[in-house]
Formats: sequence, structure tokens, C-alpha cells
Amino acid sequence: DIQMTQSPSLLSASVGDRVTLSCKASQNIYKYLNWYQQKLGEAPKLLIYYTNSLQTGIPSRFSGSGSGTDYTLTISSLQPEDVATYFCQQYNSWNTFGAGTKLELK
Amino acid sequence: QVQLKESGPGLVQPSQTLSLTCTVSGLSLTSNSVSWIRQPPGKGLEWMGVIWSNGGTDYNSAIKSRLSISRDTSKSQVFLKMNSLQTEDTAMYFCARGGTTPDYWGQGVMVTVSS
Repeated sequence: DIQMTQSPSLLSASVGDRVTLSCKASQNIYKYLNWYQQKLGEAPKLLIYYTNSLQTGIPSRFSGSGSGTDYTLTISSLQPEDVATYFCQQYNSWNTFGAGTKLELK
Repeated sequence: QVQLKESGPGLVQPSQTLSLTCTVSGLSLTSNSVSWIRQPPGKGLEWMGVIWSNGGTDYNSAIKSRLSISRDTSKSQVFLKMNSLQTEDTAMYFCARGGTTPDYWGQGVMVTVSS
């Protein structure tokens, strides 16, 4: 099975900061990588699919990049409503999620 | 609009069978796949399985022997059955549209395994 490792597990940042979350796969996943945002008590929400495609209705401050085994979710200017846990998910071979990065305000 | 809603018992005894229903609206099961994904309290997400638009299924190898996913297209419902439940199966269970990139999710149903 492909393992997904997210870092950091906890990130504290200030409003307006540029924030970068990382996701590393145990093998090449050929950009078959999605990002989800999960707020407390809610279902996950799809943000980015196939590494860098923005889901409809998601603010443009969210962006994704990467290739091979290394992927990144970037928030260009952190907003208070972005406080959440972010999960990456690969679908190159079955489907597996990372353990998540919890993003909080400093 | 597309909606999914999970239903089922909130409490299941150890060794018993869990039965959940996902009722969908705004989409056809014959042209959309539906996945089941669970999340233990305070933990990450685990993909359990998927029923594809053609009715075929795929399951997480870790729980494949205990899991069955089926559907009734006339009722727009997808079913999950998992047997031999243990306390570690306590989780929020979600159904979602899509077999690789779930874009619409239900609100989830909390299932506690306890005697």
C-alpha cells in the first residue's frame, strides 16, 4: 500500500501569512493527489484535485503543486476561516489519506 | 443539488454486524460511484470501499473480508454491511460521491461499538 506522510502535523500561522503544507508519498503517484479541508464537526471538503486543479467554489488563495512523491498545498494569504485540518489523498493505487495537518491561528 | 445522507444505528455491540444506508439525491447511481470512508474520533480518514457506476465494487484490503457494499438504484440508496465489529470500528462513517475523488460528502453518521 502507498503510505502518505503529511508535515507538519500542526502548523500555527498568522492571518495574512503564506502557508505551505507538505505531503509525501511512499512511491511515485503520478500527480494522482487530492487535498481536502475538514473543519471541526464537518465532513471533508474537496479543495484541489489532480495535484493542482482548483475545485469549483474554492477561493483562489488555495493552490497545489508537486510531482513524483512530493506535493504541496499552499494558502497564499491565510484567512481566519482557513483554520481546519487538511488531508492529502492519493488515488494512483487504491486510495489512501495522509494523517492530516492541523492549521491553527497564531 | 447533489446530496448524500447516511443513516443507521448509533450503537452496535461487539461481534455484531453494522448496516448503514446512504440515500442520495440529485444524482443517478448508474452514472456515479459512491464511496464509504470512515474516521475514528480524533483520527484520520480511511477509505473503506466503493461501488462503481456499473455496480462493481472494490474494498480496502484491510477490511475486505468483513465488508460488503451494495445498492438499490430504484431507491437511490447505497448500503454498507460490515460484520464482526470491534471497538476499533468506532468511527464517523461517511458516504461520498466518487470513487477516486469524492466531491460531495454526506454529513456522516457516528457509530459506536460497545456492549
